[in-house]
Amino acid sequence: ELKVEQNPLFLSMQEGKNYTIYCNYSTTSDRLYWYRQDPGKSLESLFVLLSNGAVKQEGRLMASLDTKARLSTLHITAAVHDLSATYFCAVVSGGSNYKLTFGKGTLLTVNP
Amino acid sequence: DSGVTQTPKHLITATGQRVTLRCSPRSGDLSVYWYQQSLDQGLQFLIQYYNGEERAKGNILERFSAQQFPDLHSELNLSSLELGDSALYFCASSASKRDRGVYEQYFGPGTRLTVT
Repeated sequence: ELKVEQNPLFLSMQEGKNYTIYCNYSTTSDRLYWYRQDPGKSLESLFVLLSNGAVKQEGRLMASLDTKARLSTLHITAAVHDLSATYFCAVVSGGSNYKLTFGKGTLLTVNP
Repeated sequence: DSGVTQTPKHLITATGQRVTLRCSPRSGDLSVYWYQQSLDQGLQFLIQYYNGEERAKGNILERFSAQQFPDLHSELNLSSLELGDSALYFCASSASKRDRGVYEQYFGPGTRLTVT
């Protein structure tokens, strides 16, 4: 059974600082997703990572994937308050369906 | 706006009752997925339909069932409701063909179910 672990689960940062969220998964997968969720809202797709070594950047967020280590990272650069949200990584189990297995999420709070 | 719609937005009902949640996928998407989000279980995959047929099942209780209709909208039926069924239920849809090279799932706004 595919397991996805994120850490940390809670992250309190100061504005302007850098930090990394880690996502480990237990079995081979060919795609990994990062989502953002604001309180009471839906999930917003941030990144889709398809291959080993994939790196994608959008604004202050950068995601990478190492399929050999079964590890993805979401790096936050010079955090701002607007980045406060819960971030989820999700992995596709493979096969003919594309069900997502999610990590528990990282609640990020960026303080002024 | 993802293009996926869900109704109702909120639902409050009593234990033992039955409810139906509705989802309309993005135009052209053939796959519909249902997820449950709760504080203790996190985000869990429930079930997937592709063009009217069940494709995959996750941690879906026997009291829950779903279907996808010829117009591709989907309904999730929850019966004999218990307090623990209170959660946010999301529907997602994805394209049948590779969409920009990936099968990206687009999530609806969710239905918040409260069982009292």
